[in-house]
Amino acid sequence: KNEVEQSPQNLTAQEGEFITINCSYSVGISALHWLQQHPGGGIVSLFMLSSGKKKHGRLIATINIQEKHSSLHITASHPRDSAVYICAPLKGNKLVFGAGTILRVKS
Amino acid sequence: SAVISQKPSRDICQRGTSLTIQCQVDSQVTMMFWYRQQPGQSLTLIATANQGSEATYESGFVIDKFPISRPNLTFSTLTVSNMSPEDSSIYLCSSLRGTTEAFFGQGTRLTVV
Repeated sequence: KNEVEQSPQNLTAQEGEFITINCSYSVGISALHWLQQHPGGGIVSLFMLSSGKKKHGRLIATINIQEKHSSLHITASHPRDSAVYICAPLKGNKLVFGAGTILRVKS
Repeated sequence: SAVISQKPSRDICQRGTSLTIQCQVDSQVTMMFWYRQQPGQSLTLIATANQGSEATYESGFVIDKFPISRPNLTFSTLTVSNMSPEDSSIYLCSSLRGTTEAFFGQGTRLTVV
């Protein structure tokens, strides 16, 4: 079993829809990052979570440490949100990567 | 947040040759990580590079194939040696600042023909 499970693997949404990406992990962690990777390959960190909830613009991330689960929500999705979203818990001093969710938002 | 400049951004190489990828960070960092991302897959850690010591390689990766240099706290290189088509991937460098920051180079898209 993978240490990090993400769902769904692929997601197609219509512009304006509310999107949720889920991440479950089995490792002990100190924090969790949500990453965004665009087709060119570059990766940016959207959030670092160690507890609770964070919001940045239309993006919201939550984490439940006891249940070892995190979610990334996108409100009012837009075609420019199309990317791969990767859940990456921090295990010790290294990131462990989920397989990623390929999001496509159609206009 | 720190910025990592990675180059080249892409290259097409002949099999049997070697390619060196460079990452320059705009501030000092303790550890740098090198990853490979094969088509349609997530990132796989190749090695962790610390300044002043040999890199630590993950299972399945060896120094002869992926030599790494870390001459100072802002710079690192990864060489992909004696390349074959199976080495065609995106290669990324990354670093962490505590638990709060994770930052990545822009990636090198390598095609071996």
